[in-house]
Formats: sequence, structure tokens, C-alpha cells
Amino acid sequence: DAGVIQSPRHEVTEMGQEVTLRCKPISGHNSLFWYRQTMMRGLELLIYFNNNVPIDDSGMPEDRFSAKMPNASFSTLKIQPSEPRDSAVYFCASSSLGPADTQYFGPGTRLTVL
Amino acid sequence: SQQGEEDPQALSIQEGENATMNCSYKTSINNLQWYRQNSGRGLVHLILIRSNEREKHSGRLRVTLDTSKKSSSLLITASRAADTASYFCATEAGGGSYIPTFGRGTSLIVHP
Repeated sequence: DAGVIQSPRHEVTEMGQEVTLRCKPISGHNSLFWYRQTMMRGLELLIYFNNNVPIDDSGMPEDRFSAKMPNASFSTLKIQPSEPRDSAVYFCASSSLGPADTQYFGPGTRLTVL
Repeated sequence: SQQGEEDPQALSIQEGENATMNCSYKTSINNLQWYRQNSGRGLVHLILIRSNEREKHSGRLRVTLDTSKKSSSLLITASRAADTASYFCATEAGGGSYIPTFGRGTSLIVHP
């Protein structure tokens, strides 16, 4: 299995631009998580999907952030418009039995907003 | 607020020594997990320990759980330079929620 796949691995953009991060979970996993990691705030859960349905998005910072999971094998996290404070590493993770189960993390997308 | 908090924040040891990291949490849990993160990489799952378990082993890793003290420890025996990484505990948010929360991690440096 290829594991969780994220793209792009690095993204540099200018303030105000739209950013789209992509994730392909492990086949057969029914739960998907988006996290953001910064030095200041550590690892924060942004949103959690179960069977393609958003279950908890209380961690989404504000309306500029949105996430979708149109099918079991693909999810996107979009930031529009982006701001410098959004600079972070964004991780996608998936699990087979829900949030209390082992999560498998992707390699992350390092986002820099200038 | 975060459920799990690791202690110490940083740990520096020599190869061959044992490394002990602790995790404290606030509300009752069903399980607790430990993850490792190498620099520039995603987190990798190490061990899951359930609330009815007190100790679990995996290779050179030993995890204990004390639900009465709401704490867990991760012991790495005979450490190697390759163990250099950040280590995180993950617990459920509590209050019936299974949403996982991670602490800030312990940064371990093992000097060869």
C-alpha cells in the first residue's frame, strides 16, 4: 500500500491567493483527518470526516478554510484567501476504524504564504 | 485545551541510555496512543494502549498507563541515534468525544 498521499509537498504562494491541498487516504479507510502543525500551536485537528461526511470541523480556523471529501479516495483542504499566518505544515491522516483507532499520516504539505 | 501534554519538552541523551517520556491527560479515556515524528515527516504510530491495560511492549518500547493518575509513560531502552525524533501522545478529547488530540510532543535527541 502506498500509504496516505498528499500533494503538493511544498507550496509557496502570495497573500490573498487561493491554496488547495490534496489528500488520498489509504484504500479502505473510512476516516480522514486534516491537521495543521506549527511551532507555536503544535498539532491541531482541523476537520474529521467519517464515510466522506464531515463529523467535526470545530478546529477549522475561520471561513477562509474549507474542506471537502467528494468520495472515499480524495479530499481537499482549501484556503481562500490565504494569509501569512496560515503558513504551516498541513497533514492528512486516515484510519480504518474511526478516530480512536491508529491513524496513518501522510508526509504533509509545507505551506508558505508570503 | 489540549487533552494530552508530554513532559519533558526536550530530552538529550547518549546512545545506549534509556529515554523516558511522560504524558498527562485530563479526562477519562478509552485508549492512549504514542506517535513518533522524524524531522520533516508525518507522524508514525508506535503503540496503542487501552484503558484496561497497564503496560505494553513493542521491541525496545515500553508504555505504561496509570488511569488513576491520568498519565502514561513511554520508555525507549538502549536508545540509538535513529531514535532522534519528536514523540507525541494522543488521547481522545474527552466528554464522550472520540476526536483525537495531540500534545506538543517531546523532542528527543540521541547523541551517537
